[in-house]
Amino acid sequence: AQKITQTQPGMFVQEKEAVTLDCTYDTSDPSYGLFWYKQPSSGEMIFLIYQGSYDQQNATEGRYSLNFQKARKSANLVISASQLGDSAMYFCAMREPRGNDMRFGAGTRLTVKP
Amino acid sequence: DVKVTQSSRYLVKRTGEKVFLECVQDMDHENMFWYRQDPGLGLRLIYFSYDVKMKEKGDIPEGYSVSREKKERFSLILESASTNQTSMYLCASSLTGANNQPQHFGDGTRLSIL
Repeated sequence: AQKITQTQPGMFVQEKEAVTLDCTYDTSDPSYGLFWYKQPSSGEMIFLIYQGSYDQQNATEGRYSLNFQKARKSANLVISASQLGDSAMYFCAMREPRGNDMRFGAGTRLTVKP
Repeated sequence: DVKVTQSSRYLVKRTGEKVFLECVQDMDHENMFWYRQDPGLGLRLIYFSYDVKMKEKGDIPEGYSVSREKKERFSLILESASTNQTSMYLCASSLTGANNQPQHFGDGTRLSIL
């Protein structure tokens, strides 16, 4: 069963505007971690931000913030003041206590327009 | 910063060859992972290791094996390469298997089997 769902295959945003990338997840564990990664065209996966299931506040890292709505099982990534260098694939991922691996969504391709 | 190094960015091999993909991490991480990434299919886990000489099958282990003789090195082996193994291969490591630990990725190896 799909554990991580990213419903937006592609998104466009104007430079300097904010954009929200959607992510919903499915788990029965009360304890889990949510992550976002950026993959530029060069291929490397860059870790952006982490949110724990017990964290009371939404995570922030510079221009990245995570809109965490636990009851709705959503963990949307918000990028403020978009830059041309933000154009990339973005992956949402989840890690649960059972097992050691991480489950990834299918990704969203973000294109920032000048 | 964590450094995960994959031995090759691009690799071209022939059908039937035995192929070795090497991955080294420099942060004394317990866990290491091999994924393959294909368009439309996202990241799929091939194998992971949570300790030296320990390995666990992921979602798609068929046609692959792994070796972890030293903590810092995790090798992926294609026993007899086939054209359907043409893909992007990503190695990752994490400090532990805890659900608050991000995985850190190498730059990836684009493998073509002719």
